[in-house]
Amino acid sequence: AQSVAQPEDQVNVAEGNPLTVKCTYSVSGNPYLFWYVQYPNRGLQFLLKYITGDNLVKGSYGFEAEFNKSQTSFHLKKPSALVSDSALYFCAVRDYMDSNYQLIWGAGTKLIIKP
Amino acid sequence: NAGVTQTPKFQVLKTGQSMTLQCAQDMNHEYMSWYRQDPGMGLRLIHYSVGAGITDQGEVPNGYNVSRSTTEDFPLRLLSAAPSQTSVYFCAASPSATSYEQYFGPGTRLTVT
Repeated sequence: AQSVAQPEDQVNVAEGNPLTVKCTYSVSGNPYLFWYVQYPNRGLQFLLKYITGDNLVKGSYGFEAEFNKSQTSFHLKKPSALVSDSALYFCAVRDYMDSNYQLIWGAGTKLIIKP
Repeated sequence: NAGVTQTPKFQVLKTGQSMTLQCAQDMNHEYMSWYRQDPGMGLRLIHYSVGAGITDQGEVPNGYNVSRSTTEDFPLRLLSAAPSQTSVYFCAASPSATSYEQYFGPGTRLTVT
């Protein structure tokens, strides 16, 4: 079965600095990978996905993610952090189980951007 | 466009009580699902539906029932609430089971005492 790991419970970054939120995965076959963001007291919002093609994927709010097959990683990045980026970030991989596709989620990483 | 709506936003139950968490979507999406979110565990799939009249179990279905009589609505029923069901519950919808993006509701925070 597929799995996703987010090794950091929390990441602290100063405003204006680059940020990275880490995600590693374990899959059989080609992975379909996703990042979602959850702002306080809100539902999750889709940020970006990797299906195939270019290893650098661009998404919403200036975020991007780099797919690295050899390191089985899909780290989320942003060149210059904003205080408003503070939120909970989830990495997910699509799995095929019981004749249906399902998302397998990481535990989440809390991103704190300090002014 | 409301997207996915959930009611109530907050609920406190006593052990053994039953209740229904409501979920509705106005996007005419076929696929709907219920997740629970617990600290340090990410989201876990409770039940899902690939279309009206079709439901199936996810990773953690015990203690929950669902039905899908219409495309729009996907209620989640707690049969006999237990403290272990204290969690935040999210409903999500997507055009199909193979769609890449899911649209989430704002969540219901449930406390069972």
